[in-house]
Amino acid sequence: TQLLEQSPQFLSIQEGENLTVYCNSSSVFSSLQWYRQEPGEGPVLLVTVVTGGEVKKLKRLTFQFGDARKDSSLHITAAQPGDTGLYLCAGASDSNYQLIWGAGTKLIIKP
Amino acid sequence: DSGVTQTPKHLITATGQRVTLRCSPRSGDLSVYWYQQSLDQGLQFLIQYYNGEERAKGNILERFSAQQFPDLHSELNLSSLELGDSALYFCASSPPRRTGELFFGEGSRLTVL
Repeated sequence: TQLLEQSPQFLSIQEGENLTVYCNSSSVFSSLQWYRQEPGEGPVLLVTVVTGGEVKKLKRLTFQFGDARKDSSLHITAAQPGDTGLYLCAGASDSNYQLIWGAGTKLIIKP
Repeated sequence: DSGVTQTPKHLITATGQRVTLRCSPRSGDLSVYWYQQSLDQGLQFLIQYYNGEERAKGNILERFSAQQFPDLHSELNLSSLELGDSALYFCASSPPRRTGELFFGEGSRLTVL
């Protein structure tokens, strides 16, 4: 059974601090996505990484796919209250039509 | 706006009742996925349809059923509702190329009293 372990489950920090969220698995994925979900709304796709070692930047967010395509990280620099939300990672494999979802990281950025 | 439309946005009903949730995927997307999200929980995959046919099944209860119609819209039917079925139900669609990316609707919040 493929699993994606996401950590931490919950993070509350002050505005301006940096943070990293991790997504780990023993399985290899052909691609991995990060989503952000705000309360009462659907998840919104932030990024897809497909190549081992790939790094993508989205303003203050940096996403990295592990060399072996088994793990990924999301780093936020100088977090702002607008970054508050539930961050979800999801992995796709060539052998399975279903995405494997992490349990999510609930992030609160305090002004 | 993801382009995925879900109705109704909110639904309150009683135990034992039956409800139908509706989803229209993004233009051009052939796959529709249904997910359940209970309070402060992650996403639980229920079922996927591709061009009218069931493609994959997740943790969907026997009391729940779904279908995708020729115009590609989908409906999720929930019957004999229980208190524990109260949740957000999301529909998502994906483009034909297999990158796995999903585009979610805003969800239907079901409250069973």
